[in-house]
Amino acid sequence: QSVLTQPPSVSGAPGQTVTISCTGNSSNIGAGYDVHWYQQFPGTAPKLLIYENNYRPSEVPDRFSGSKSGTSASLAISGLQTEDEADYYCQSYDTNLSAWVFGGGTKLTVL
Amino acid sequence: QVQLQESGPGLVKPSQTLSLTCTVSGGSISTGSYYWTWIRQHPGKGLEWIAYMYYSGSPYYNPSLKSRLIISVDTSKNQFFLKLRSVTVADTAVYYCARGSNLERGFDPWGQGTLVTVSS
Repeated sequence: QSVLTQPPSVSGAPGQTVTISCTGNSSNIGAGYDVHWYQQFPGTAPKLLIYENNYRPSEVPDRFSGSKSGTSASLAISGLQTEDEADYYCQSYDTNLSAWVFGGGTKLTVL
Repeated sequence: QVQLQESGPGLVKPSQTLSLTCTVSGGSISTGSYYWTWIRQHPGKGLEWIAYMYYSGSPYYNPSLKSRLIISVDTSKNQFFLKLRSVTVADTAVYYCARGSNLERGFDPWGQGTLVTVSS
């Protein structure tokens, strides 16, 4: 059971927008800690997609955006493309656990 | 740009010590702007943060693994290391090394990962 809760899967058609949620509590996201998002293709290492809640590394397309409110964060992917099919993970810090924690991951399927 | 590469045995026997090396290239490990971290991913599962440290100073461990962990840095070789004692089959995972920023901008970049199987 992950400290940060993500839906196991989401899906969307090419061109659509999907949102992946990441729900925490008052000891992590709700305590003000930033949320980062990673994209992982099968058999490869995770890649940083969004940092500090809503900033994109320069090489990440602006179709990817992040937000944070209260004890939750979200990753939105607009203009879905088939190459976006991957697993997505959120990450934050938990003060009770004294550890960085990840969500359980969400598998995105582009129909 | 900075690249990281994990290396070490792919098979470890139960009760023994898992030892991995992460070699950093394209930049110096001896920078106060970044720290160096280990993360693992059990087969088909999510990610678990293991430990981190700066090139100098104390390491920080995941409390759930702390009693079995030692991480260290060798600045002369631009490498950092992971030792996990008394392994069980539950420690079978892909182990990644990665860089973190003192500005807390996530872990980036990551090594390609190395699968370590614990089995007799």
